Amino acid sequence: GEDVEQSLFLSVREGDSSVINCTYTDSSSTYLYWYKQEPGAGLQLLTYIFSNMDMKQDQRLTVLLNKKDKHLSLRIADTQTGDSAIYFCAERGASNTGKLIFGQGTTLQVKP
Amino acid sequence: EAQVTQNPRYLITVTGKKLTVTCSQNMNHEYMSWYRQDPGLGLRQIYYSMNVEVTDKGDVPEGYKVSRKEKRNFPLILESPSPNQTSLYFCASSFQVYNSPLHFGNGTRLTVT
Repeated sequence: GEDVEQSLFLSVREGDSSVINCTYTDSSSTYLYWYKQEPGAGLQLLTYIFSNMDMKQDQRLTVLLNKKDKHLSLRIADTQTGDSAIYFCAERGASNTGKLIFGQGTTLQVKP
Repeated sequence: EAQVTQNPRYLITVTGKKLTVTCSQNMNHEYMSWYRQDPGLGLRQIYYSMNVEVTDKGDVPEGYKVSRKEKRNFPLILESPSPNQTSLYFCASSFQVYNSPLHFGNGTRLTVT
């Protein structure tokens, strides 16, 4: 079935780059997403990538997609303390429910 | 500002007392959906709606009802809440069911005692 896997925790120093990785199983996924959740807050859509793209850059964010390996990554350049949050990878496959399949979330800790 | 608005943000209630969590979007989206988020279980879809008057069950619909009388609103109804419905609830919407990103509200934290 559909599944999305992420590592649970990442710690970086302020100013470094962060790379959060994700693997997924549904090869029919047309969109892949990254969401950010800060404590007590909702899910903020950070960025997304079409499955026919390899890379998407949006300011400090770079998304890389390896469709062959079903691997997605989110790189945050010049990570700031305000980037500390939980980051969710998600796919929206061909299911007619429109359901998003989320990973477990990666907690990013940014140390000053 | 384009957004999905949920109310209330926090709600504490007692077992069996009917409640409604409202959800409204101002983006003219056709598709709307409800999720609940629980530690260790992640985000699970409760109900979804493809368009006005078209709703269907997600993965965990038991104990919930929804309605979609207007395009912008998609309330979640708990007729007889129970403690196992204590959770963080999110409403979401997208332009269509395929090939468009899902936008989430800020969440409603529900506690049922």
